Formats: sequence, C-alpha cells, structure tokens
Amino acid sequence: DAGVIQSPRHEVTEMGQEVTLRCKPISGHNSLFWYRQTMMRGLELLIYFNNNVPIDDSGMPEDRFSAKMPNASFSTLKIQPSEPRDSAVYFCASKPNPGLLYGYTFGSGTRLTVV
Amino acid sequence: EDKVVQSPLSLVVHEGDTVTLNCSYEVTNFRSLLWYKQEKKAPTFLFMLTSSGIEKKSGRLSSILDKKELFSILNITATQTGDSAIYLCAANSNSGYALNFGKGTSLLVTP
Repeated sequence: DAGVIQSPRHEVTEMGQEVTLRCKPISGHNSLFWYRQTMMRGLELLIYFNNNVPIDDSGMPEDRFSAKMPNASFSTLKIQPSEPRDSAVYFCASKPNPGLLYGYTFGSGTRLTVV
Repeated sequence: EDKVVQSPLSLVVHEGDTVTLNCSYEVTNFRSLLWYKQEKKAPTFLFMLTSSGIEKKSGRLSSILDKKELFSILNITATQTGDSAIYLCAANSNSGYALNFGKGTSLLVTP
C-alpha cells in the first residue's frame, strides 16, 4: 500500500492566489481528515469526512477555505484567496472507520508558503 | 473546550540520557491517548493508551497513562541521535472521531 498520498509536497504562492491541495487516502479507509500544523498552534483539525461526506468542518478557519471529497479516493482542500497567515504544513490523514481508536495514517504533508 | 498540553516544549540531551516527556489533557468523555513521533515528515504512531496504570513498551520507549490525574508520560531510555524528533501527544474522546493534539515536544539528542 502506498499510504496516504498528498500533492504537491511544496507550494509557494503569492498572496491572493488560489491554492489547491490534494489527497489520496488509503484504499478502504472511510474516514479522511485535513489537519494544519504551525509552530504557534500545533496540529489543528480543519475538516473531517466520513464516507465522502463532510461531518465536521468547524475547524475551517474562514470562508476562504473549502474542502471536497468527490469520491472515496480523492479529496481537495482549497484556499481562495490565500494569505500569508495561511502558511503552514497541511496534512491529510485517513483511517479505516470512525469507530477505531487508532489506525490514523498521515500523508507526508504539503508545505504551503504564501508570500 | 478540550485541551492537550505537552511539556517541555523543547529539550536537548546527550546520547545515552533518559528523557521523560509529559502530556496533560482535559477532554470530555475521554477515550484514548496516543503518542506520535514526527521527524521531517508525517507523524508516525508510537502508542495508544486507554487504561490507567498499564505501561506500553516498545524497545527503549515506554508510556503510561494516569486517568485520575489526567496525564501521560513518554519515557525514552539510552537516547540515540535517531530519537531526535517532535513527539506529539493526542487525545481522543467518545464523542469525537478526530485527534486533539498538543503542540509537541521537540527533542534533540546530541552525540
């Protein structure tokens, strides 16, 4: 299994541009999570999908952020327009089902820099 | 609001030292506590603890949970330079599905 695959690995963009981050979860995993990691705030949950349906998006900072999961093997996190304070590492994680206490597998992350 | 606090935030030790990392939590309907190691990329799973007082051990790493006092510790004995990483603690609740992470402890082991 290739694990959770994220792309791109690094993204540098100018303020005001649209940014799209991509994630392919592990096949058969029903739960998908987007996290953001910064030095100041650590790892924060942005949104959680179960069976492709967004269950909790209360962590999405503001309307500039949106996430979709059109099918079981693909999810996107979009920021439009991007701002310098969005600079962070964005992780996608998946696990087999929401009831499991463990089994989270993280992708390698996308390091976003907004200048 | 659920909260996970780790201490210290950073630590520098010499190879061979023993270190103890701390994690305290306030989580409604607590279910489990997990430890992760994060090197340059994704966090990787170390331990999951659900029962108080039972030590989990893997080689030189061990962890224990105290559900009465709401904390966990991660011990690393005979540290090696390869142990240098950020160690993350996360709590999971019955009503939650996602992990509530602390900010991590950055450990540097010098030769």
